[in-house]
Amino acid sequence: SQQGEEDPQALSIQEGENATMNCSYKTSINNLQWYRQNSGRGLVHLILIRSNEREKHSGRLRVTLDTSKKSSSLLITASRAADTASYFCATGSGGSNYKLTFGKGTLLTVNP
Amino acid sequence: DGGITQSPKYLFRKEGQNVTLSCEQNLNHDAMYWYRQDPGQGLRLIYYSQIVNDFQKGDIAEGYSVSREKKESFPLTVTSAQKNPTAFYLCASSIWTATVGTDTQYFGPGTRLTVL
Repeated sequence: SQQGEEDPQALSIQEGENATMNCSYKTSINNLQWYRQNSGRGLVHLILIRSNEREKHSGRLRVTLDTSKKSSSLLITASRAADTASYFCATGSGGSNYKLTFGKGTLLTVNP
Repeated sequence: DGGITQSPKYLFRKEGQNVTLSCEQNLNHDAMYWYRQDPGQGLRLIYYSQIVNDFQKGDIAEGYSVSREKKESFPLTVTSAQKNPTAFYLCASSIWTATVGTDTQYFGPGTRLTVL
């Protein structure tokens, strides 16, 4: 079953602009993770935020988590053409220590 | 080089045949996972293994089988019972974190299976 739902499904921006993607989920979580997938490739882990954290940074990435709204956002600042990829959120729930549930992803296109 | 390898990259199967997808990791991770990805979709969990000689069904295990005889290896067999096996298959691994739950997963490059 799908836990996370990303929004928008697709996003097209110009190089240098910021990109914001959102993720909503339904049940309580231990952590929320964001992954990137280039076309036809495996997923690459970007950032993990735990349920007791509200914001996390990694380079040009900023992730927020609002557990009261059951939502998260991923902000990519100063985007580059190389950021073009699909971005997935994945939630880890209590009682299922090894399971991540993935959303359908946001396809980000950064135009040079 | 540390990481996860999957082979082959592309695999073609005739209807009615079983095929086995390979997944090997040298990250010393206890947990390994198999996911299926269909076009424009997210990942769905097929099977996962927390420790050698033990594995659990995921959300879409019907028509698939796995084994975990070694820590480094977690092969997936797509059997003839899987009605729609054409998809992109991804293997992943992670460390065991008893206190904090599911941790970062590291993915292989994937195998694209096509049924002819």
